[in-house]
Amino acid sequence: SQQGEEDPQALSIQEGENATMNCSYKTSINNLQWYRQNSGRGLVHLILIRSNEREKHSGRLRVTLDTSKKSSSLLITASRAADTASYFCATANNNNDMRFGAGTRLTVKP
Amino acid sequence: DTAVSQTPKYLVTQMGNDKSIKCEQNLGHDTMYWYKQDSKKFLKIMFSYNNKELIINETVPNRFSPKSPDKAHLNLHINSLELGDSAVYFCASSQRGSLTYEQYFGPGTRLTVT
Repeated sequence: SQQGEEDPQALSIQEGENATMNCSYKTSINNLQWYRQNSGRGLVHLILIRSNEREKHSGRLRVTLDTSKKSSSLLITASRAADTASYFCATANNNNDMRFGAGTRLTVKP
Repeated sequence: DTAVSQTPKYLVTQMGNDKSIKCEQNLGHDTMYWYKQDSKKFLKIMFSYNNKELIINETVPNRFSPKSPDKAHLNLHINSLELGDSAVYFCASSQRGSLTYEQYFGPGTRLTVT
C-alpha cells in the first residue's frame, strides 16, 4: 500500500510563481525524501529531511516536516518552465521500508 | 558518465516468456534496488540488496528474482511473464542500505507484455 499521499495531484502555475506541494503519511518515519521525475525518465533525488528536522533548504527548494501532523511540504520558489515534472515524496521507516506517494504533476507555463 | 544504467530501455514480449533486465551502477554504492511503477505512477519497492542481505517485498511474486553477479550489478529476472507485469521498472542504488541515504535511479525499463 502507498504511504505518502501528495496533494494536489496536479498543479499548474505561471513561470515565476511559487509552487507548494504537500505530502501526508500514516506511520512513523525515519526520514522523508522528495524526488522529481521528468516525463519518461528516472527519479532524481531533491532533498532528504530526517524525522528530527523541521525545515531544510536547497537552492530554490524548501522542505518542511511536521511529524505531529505526519505531513511535509515542498516549496519551489520562482518557478521555471524546467521545473515541470512530477514530484514524489517517499517515507522511510526503521524497518527498512520505503514507500512512495502517487506524486504531484507540476506544470509551469512560460 | 551514467551513474545508474539499465538495459533494455524498452522490452516488448509475450505472456509466458522469461526475460531479464540488467542494471549497473558505477557509484561504488553498497546497496541496489528494484522498483515497479505502474500506469498510475505508483512506485513500489520490490527488492533491496547488498552483498549481505536481500530484502524482498512480500507482495512481489516469486516469478521475480534479483541476481547480482557483483556489487555493481543487480539484474531482474522475470519468469512466466503476465499481462499485469507491464510497467516501468527502475533500478536504483544508495551508499548504504538503511534507506537514510538518497537513492540514485536509472532511466527505467518499460516492459510491455502482450
